[in-house]
Amino acid sequence: DIQMTQSPSSLSASVGDRVTITCRASQTINSYLIWYQQKPGKAPKLLIYAASTLQSGVPSRFSGSGSGTDFSLTISSLQPEDFATYYCQQSYSPPHTFGQGTKLDIK
Amino acid sequence: QVQLVESGGGVVQPGRSLRLACAASEFTFSSYDMHWVRQAPGKGLEWVTVISYDGTKKYYADSVKGRFTISRDNSKNTLFLQMNSLRAEDTAVYYCAREDRGFIPMVRGTVNWFDPWGQGTLVTVSS
Repeated sequence: DIQMTQSPSSLSASVGDRVTITCRASQTINSYLIWYQQKPGKAPKLLIYAASTLQSGVPSRFSGSGSGTDFSLTISSLQPEDFATYYCQQSYSPPHTFGQGTKLDIK
Repeated sequence: QVQLVESGGGVVQPGRSLRLACAASEFTFSSYDMHWVRQAPGKGLEWVTVISYDGTKKYYADSVKGRFTISRDNSKNTLFLQMNSLRAEDTAVYYCAREDRGFIPMVRGTVNWFDPWGQGTLVTVSS
């Protein structure tokens, strides 16, 4: 099975900050990498797929990069609504494993 | 709009069974692979199982293999998860999700992603 390792597991930041979350796969997954945002009590929301393709309706301050085993999600200028938990997931092969999540909270 | 609605959650004793359903609307259900993902209270997301669009292929996480069965009824636009021999560690919110696919020129190939997701249904395994 492919293991997905996210870092950091938690992050404190301020409105307007630029933040980056990383995700590493235990073997190559090409560009089969998805990023989600989840808020308490809600289902995950698709942000980015194919490592860097922004889902329709997602603000352009979100961006993704990487291929192979190393990926990142960047939020260029944090907004109050961005404080949430973020997950990466590989869609290369089942089991479609998730990273452990990164909780982003207000400093 | 495209929608998935889960049902069937509740409180069940260890060792008992429960069947979840996921009703799909506003898309051609029979054309899409479908997944179940769960989230234990206060924990991260765990992928559980997938079924192909026609029901012929199924994959399971090791944690549920042999106990859970995914199925679908394309005539009723409904996905199911039969959960047997339930354990305390199966306590979680269970989400269904649609697998979508598309050709991405930047990667020169077809990739997949999961969207939308249902709102989730809570399963609590407790005596």
